[in-house]
Amino acid sequence: DVKVTQSSRYLVKRTGEKVFLECVQDMDHENMFWYRQDPGLGLRLIYFSYDVKMKEKGDIPEGYSVSREKKERFSLILESASTNQTSMYLCASSTHTSGNEQFFGPGTRLTVL
Amino acid sequence: GIQVEQSPPDLILQEGANSTLRCNFSDSVNNLQWFHQNPWGQLINLFYIPSGTKQNGRLSATTVATERYSLLYISSSQTTDSGVYFCAVERNDRGSTLGRLYFGRGTQLTVWP
Repeated sequence: DVKVTQSSRYLVKRTGEKVFLECVQDMDHENMFWYRQDPGLGLRLIYFSYDVKMKEKGDIPEGYSVSREKKERFSLILESASTNQTSMYLCASSTHTSGNEQFFGPGTRLTVL
Repeated sequence: GIQVEQSPPDLILQEGANSTLRCNFSDSVNNLQWFHQNPWGQLINLFYIPSGTKQNGRLSATTVATERYSLLYISSSQTTDSGVYFCAVERNDRGSTLGRLYFGRGTQLTVWP
């Protein structure tokens, strides 16, 4: 069975903290993605990676960075969390070739106080 | 990018009714997926359907790629069908990033008993 897991379902952090969101997939997928979802705005792509140590900016990368040291793991980092980063964060993965199905993790609801 | 428009934005039904959700997109695509977001926020894969017709129980989907739209049919709706339904596409562009999905804003479906 296809499986994408995220380190936390719910997370509460304070403004200015460094926050790590972890995503792991067990499907040997090359592509991994981080999205955020906000009411009325749908899903927006933050960063993605198509190989180990490779990363590409999505539509809203400001305030975020990512790390992909191993194929199965893709981390999203908030260097200094702010209240406007309170959101639902969704991780996904897919195989390398285009036109392939993308699978999502359960999501992390992050609240920054 | 590519524009993805879903309609209607909201749909309220009584249990047992049938419904059709529509997704229009502005360019040719390699991939089209339909997702259901459950109450806990996870995106559940319903269909991977870049073209043609597929059926899975009470749900079916049709994509007419040449006319740039897809339809999701829900028959004999149940209260458990409630939630947000998303359409997402991957643009057919050799220079584009592999596997990146563009999402519509979703259709919020509410099914009353």
